[in-house]
Amino acid sequence: GQQLNQSPQSMFIQEGEDVSMNCTSSSIFNTWLWYKQEPGEGPVLLIALYKAGELTSNGRLTAQFGITRKDSFLNISASIPSDVGIYFCAGGNTGNQFYFGTGTSLTVIP
Amino acid sequence: NAGVTQTPKFQVLKTGQSMTLQCAQDMNHEYMSWYRQDPGMGLRLIHYSVGAGITDQGEVPNGYNVSRSTTEDFPLRLLSAAPSQTSVYFCASSYAQWGEETQYFGPGTRLLVL
Repeated sequence: GQQLNQSPQSMFIQEGEDVSMNCTSSSIFNTWLWYKQEPGEGPVLLIALYKAGELTSNGRLTAQFGITRKDSFLNISASIPSDVGIYFCAGGNTGNQFYFGTGTSLTVIP
Repeated sequence: NAGVTQTPKFQVLKTGQSMTLQCAQDMNHEYMSWYRQDPGMGLRLIHYSVGAGITDQGEVPNGYNVSRSTTEDFPLRLLSAAPSQTSVYFCASSYAQWGEETQYFGPGTRLLVL
């Protein structure tokens, strides 16, 4: 099976700092999704990307669909304590399987 | 809309027992999937369905069965539980509109096999 390479594996940052994480694949995808998961909960969809080069924002979150279609990036600006959680990327093609990264665990220090 | 619902939330089984994890969605989504989540492994696809009556295997299908008799429901059956099936199971549903697919997850079922 295919798993996406997601980095970094974990991050410890001060409140107010910006965060960047990325996801790479050996396969081309036409969809990239970014999720956040909090303890004991299911993943919650943050941002969906459908076009190479697309840049999409959701509040303080911005994600980009890489030009090669093999990678995607997520940025969080001005982090706050409630940003704590595990962030997952997922790549896929319509009607087919989605493949997930192993997650980036984010800790925000007040 | 309730979105994607899963029952039970927690379950403890003995090795060899069978059970069914329930999943339902009220968003009229065509696609539904089952994933398992293990520490350090991310989410791995077990089975998926692109519509009622159609199912297919994912990355880790062994030991699990699915059926899709209605658009709303997609149960996952463990035929003979094994300790290796201790995991958190997530059901997801998705739709594709104009070629754009979005996937939503349920809250999960935490399964312990002794």
